[in-house]
Amino acid sequence: GENVEQHPSTLSVQEGDSAVIKCTYSDSASNYFPWYKQELGKGPQLIIDIRSNVGEKKDQRIAVTLNKTAKHFSLHITETQPEDSAVYFCAASISQGAQKLVFGQGTRLTINP
Amino acid sequence: DTAVSQTPKYLVTQMGNDKSIKCEQNLGHDTMYWYKQDSKKFLKIMFSYNNKELIINETVPNRFSPKSPDKAHLNLHINSLELGDSAVYFCASSHHGAGVDTQYFGPGTRLTVL
Repeated sequence: GENVEQHPSTLSVQEGDSAVIKCTYSDSASNYFPWYKQELGKGPQLIIDIRSNVGEKKDQRIAVTLNKTAKHFSLHITETQPEDSAVYFCAASISQGAQKLVFGQGTRLTINP
Repeated sequence: DTAVSQTPKYLVTQMGNDKSIKCEQNLGHDTMYWYKQDSKKFLKIMFSYNNKELIINETVPNRFSPKSPDKAHLNLHINSLELGDSAVYFCASSHHGAGVDTQYFGPGTRLTVL
């Protein structure tokens, strides 16, 4: 089955700097890669996703890149703000049939003012 | 508010007890899920239901029994609770449960087994 590895487990950056979180996956059939943000005491919320027919996707300060050959994808947050502090999860899924998201281990991002 | 809601938010109980967690979504979605998040924040799917039918069962002990009375509700009943069941349980829903659907998560239920 699918296995998703996520790094780093913790990341601390200065406000205004960029943050990058990386994930690798094992199943070459996976073709849908969402990123979720989990704030303290809340459930995960989708912030951006990418499909395997696209190499990069951007939404304001957030971007995701995908390298299908290497089976890795990354989340990039630019101009970080204190409200970006949270735990971020990557996930992978096959887009046919029942959706079964396999999550990475999570990255605790702290933005220092 | 349109959302996925869960009750209770906190649940503290003794080993061996039976407990239930309720989940409701008013998003009109066909598919609902239960996830377990352990103390290291690892998030893993347990079950998925589509229109009240079980479609994913991830080798969860049969002490865990999901029940879907209708497509807006997916409850989780746990028998003979064990210490290792302590975790945060999240309910989620998505439109069709396939392809590239976004999953919307509830606020979670923190279960503590003493």
